[in-house]
Amino acid sequence: GNSVTQMEGPVTLSEEAFLTINCTYTATGYPSLFWYVQYPGEGLQLLLKATKADDKGSNKGFEATYRKETTSFHLEKGSVQVSDSAVYFCARGDNTNAGKSTFGDGTTLTVKP
Amino acid sequence: SQTIHQWPATLVQPVGSPLSLECTVEGTSNPNLYWYRQAAGRGLQLLFYSVGIGQISSEVPQNLSASRPQDRQFILSSKKLLLSDSGFYLCAWTGQRTDTQYFGPGTRLTVL
Repeated sequence: GNSVTQMEGPVTLSEEAFLTINCTYTATGYPSLFWYVQYPGEGLQLLLKATKADDKGSNKGFEATYRKETTSFHLEKGSVQVSDSAVYFCARGDNTNAGKSTFGDGTTLTVKP
Repeated sequence: SQTIHQWPATLVQPVGSPLSLECTVEGTSNPNLYWYRQAAGRGLQLLFYSVGIGQISSEVPQNLSASRPQDRQFILSSKKLLLSDSGFYLCAWTGQRTDTQYFGPGTRLTVL
């Protein structure tokens, strides 16, 4: 079936460390891929997206590349900050008229000074 | 610009009491609307979605129901709350030709 699998957390890093959160998906066709971020006590907000193979989404220093051959969309950031502490969700569009998406279980990132 | 509102922000209710959570979207027409629940430290569970007024699809059979009385209004209800209904409830919308989801600020429900 269609699913999204992301790296289990929690992830704890020191400030300025390199971040990778892995995400793989299963799907037919070429779905849109997303990373959402949820800060404590808030709703999710779109961090970045990619709509076709080899596209790179980027925002706020975060990047993810749509890899069709490995069905992956790993999130990376070269130097994390304390303010990046949040829960990160990978998601895949379901290619339906209803605009639904399938979400991973979320990865909690804590960045320590 | 588009905005999405949810209220109340927090709610504490006794077991067996009714529930009504409201979500409204501004600045867009005919959005797709969604209700999710997020248990503590867990991922998102899609509860209901709607592609138009009066059209509700249920993803998970449970103690809750949803209604869409107006184009940009989505309501989550229960006649009798259970302890297991506690969680963080998120409303979201998408446009008709996009699958980027825009989330509201959420409602934290505690059932005691």
